[in-house]
Amino acid sequence: EDQVTQSPEALRLQEGESSSLNCSYTVSGLRGLFWYRQDPGKGPEFLFTLYSAGEEKEKERLKATLTKKESFLHITAPKPEDSATYLCAVRQTGNQFYFGTGTSLTVIP
Amino acid sequence: DARVTQTPRHKVTEMGQEVTMRCQPILGHNTVFWYRQTMMQGLELLAYFRNRAPLDDSGMPKDRFSAEMPDATLATLKIQPSEPRDSAVYFCASGSNPDRDNEQFFGPGTRLTVL
Repeated sequence: EDQVTQSPEALRLQEGESSSLNCSYTVSGLRGLFWYRQDPGKGPEFLFTLYSAGEEKEKERLKATLTKKESFLHITAPKPEDSATYLCAVRQTGNQFYFGTGTSLTVIP
Repeated sequence: DARVTQTPRHKVTEMGQEVTMRCQPILGHNTVFWYRQTMMQGLELLAYFRNRAPLDDSGMPKDRFSAEMPDATLATLKIQPSEPRDSAVYFCASGSNPDRDNEQFFGPGTRLTVL
């Protein structure tokens, strides 16, 4: 069965402590992998789209990378305002979108 | 400030009642998505419209759920009859570029509780 798996489920970092979140997928016919950020009580906010292995995207302290079976969201020198749940999703050939259950990130001052 | 709006923000109802959730996509956006989010399942795509026509509703239980776009400024998701297992947060999202449907702008969600 097609699925998207994110790890870890939760991550606590000290401010300035860099780390990476993982998203692995098994869908066939990938048309794009995307990352969202979700704050409590709000809808997801789009961050990045990656379309092919080797592609990288950056935004402030975040960098997303893609291989044939997984994506990483690297967070460099995080700040408390980076605390949120980060969701990974993939679009399969056709119109299906599959979301992972997210990684809850807490950055401690 | 262009945003997706959803009403109501919260809804508590009893099992068996009809529930209608409304979404106003960002003006000019021609794709609309309905999602359901629960702790256990995460985000699940229920239905997907482009230019008001349904493209995919395979994620939606057909016996009780229906989604429509009466016009370009309104999308509705209806549950009839509602069941406790429908309790979740329902999100609407809109996008403007068919080749980049992943760049979706989400609304604040409707938190539904079915007793």
